Amino acid sequence: AQSVAQPEDQVNVAEGNPLTVKCTYSVSGNPYLFWYVQYPNRGLQFLLKYITGDNLVKGSYGFEAEFNKSQTSFHLKKPSALVSDSALYFCAGYTGNQFYFGTGTSLTVIP
Amino acid sequence: NAGVTQTPKFRILKIGQSMTLQCAQDMNHNYMYWYRQDPGMGLKLIYYSVGAGITDKGEVPNGYNVSRSTTEDFPLRLELAAPSQTSVYFCASSFGPGASYTDTQYFGPGTRLTVL
Repeated sequence: AQSVAQPEDQVNVAEGNPLTVKCTYSVSGNPYLFWYVQYPNRGLQFLLKYITGDNLVKGSYGFEAEFNKSQTSFHLKKPSALVSDSALYFCAGYTGNQFYFGTGTSLTVIP
Repeated sequence: NAGVTQTPKFRILKIGQSMTLQCAQDMNHNYMYWYRQDPGMGLKLIYYSVGAGITDKGEVPNGYNVSRSTTEDFPLRLELAAPSQTSVYFCASSFGPGASYTDTQYFGPGTRLTVL
């Protein structure tokens, strides 16, 4: 079965510190992997995706993610967190015309 | 462009009632999707469509129906509402599968449905 896991429900980080939101996947074949962000009462917004190629993917708002095939991970990172980064983050995998979403990680950046 | 629009924003139904959640996009996208989002459960795909006249089931299709008569519209129908269908429903669209180098999914603002 295809699945994406986000092991942390909540991540807290101080403003200016680096942040990491974790994601692991179990998707057959070559994985297509995504990160989305959701602000309160809004739909999901695309941040970045990995299709093939360079394992380090750069996306919107200074976010990046590292694809690690041996660890089946796709962690989201940002060198310096902003208070405005506080939101709900979803990792997703894609196969067979369908997206499989993780359960989400709530990120709080503390001023 | 308005992007992906959904109506209504909120709705309360009684058990056994029916309703249609509307979704429209003005980006000429071929692919459209319906998801439900339950607390702590992420998004689950209900149905999707790869073009007008073509629909297919996702992970959780039971209790729902869809149709795609035009490229722009992708309504989701609940025939006999049940408390288990209380959720936030998101519609999304993409030009292609959303997994190419140049494509992604665009989400609507959601419909919050409560079944009592």
